[in-house]
Amino acid sequence: EPEVTQTPSHQVTQMGQEVILRCVPISNHLYFYWYRQILGQKVEFLVSFYNNEISEKSEIFDDQFSVERPDGSNFTLKIRSTKLEDSAMYFCASSESFWANYGYTFGSGTRLTVV
Amino acid sequence: SQQGEEDPQALSIQEGENATMNCSYKTSINNLQWYRQNSGRGLVHLILIRSNEREKHSGRLRVTLDTSKKSSSLLITASRAADTASYFCATDGQTGANNLFFGTGTRLTVIP
Repeated sequence: EPEVTQTPSHQVTQMGQEVILRCVPISNHLYFYWYRQILGQKVEFLVSFYNNEISEKSEIFDDQFSVERPDGSNFTLKIRSTKLEDSAMYFCASSESFWANYGYTFGSGTRLTVV
Repeated sequence: SQQGEEDPQALSIQEGENATMNCSYKTSINNLQWYRQNSGRGLVHLILIRSNEREKHSGRLRVTLDTSKKSSSLLITASRAADTASYFCATDGQTGANNLFFGTGTRLTVIP
């Protein structure tokens, strides 16, 4: 069964450093997303991406964050100047259609620890 | 907030019993989805129910949706130890935005 692949599975970074989280969405999906889950809290929407541009973003997704689809397969989330509160699980997801009528496929996540 | 709220927050049952989890939400929706998350792992899509549907089945899963009460339930029948996980409902919020709003989750423990 097709799956969304995320790398790395765990990243530790020092406060103030930049990190890039990588995702390979399912090949025939057109919509891509990043979500995050701070330990013990809800899964929160960060950003959605379609047709090589951001389609929606949440209040969390400020200038510290950016997304990119550098080639035909990868979808990346860059976090500049990381803060302690950025520590969380970051999930990439993809879907075939708008409204996610067939559900999203999530990756297994990247656990980011900022020290 | 459009986010759903599940109850109970935690549920512990014996293997073979049925598990029922409930979700309430606040705004109109196009669809509601249930996801499962094993500890420290990713989210696995279980089932999607559209706003014009009242009940849906998938294997041992049964989902109901009551849009008048803005609530949904997930029933897992004949539970197994492997069903131990957190279960989340997620709604689309019908805002024109293509993103999901997740609830707080129910932590299900199935005792062998």
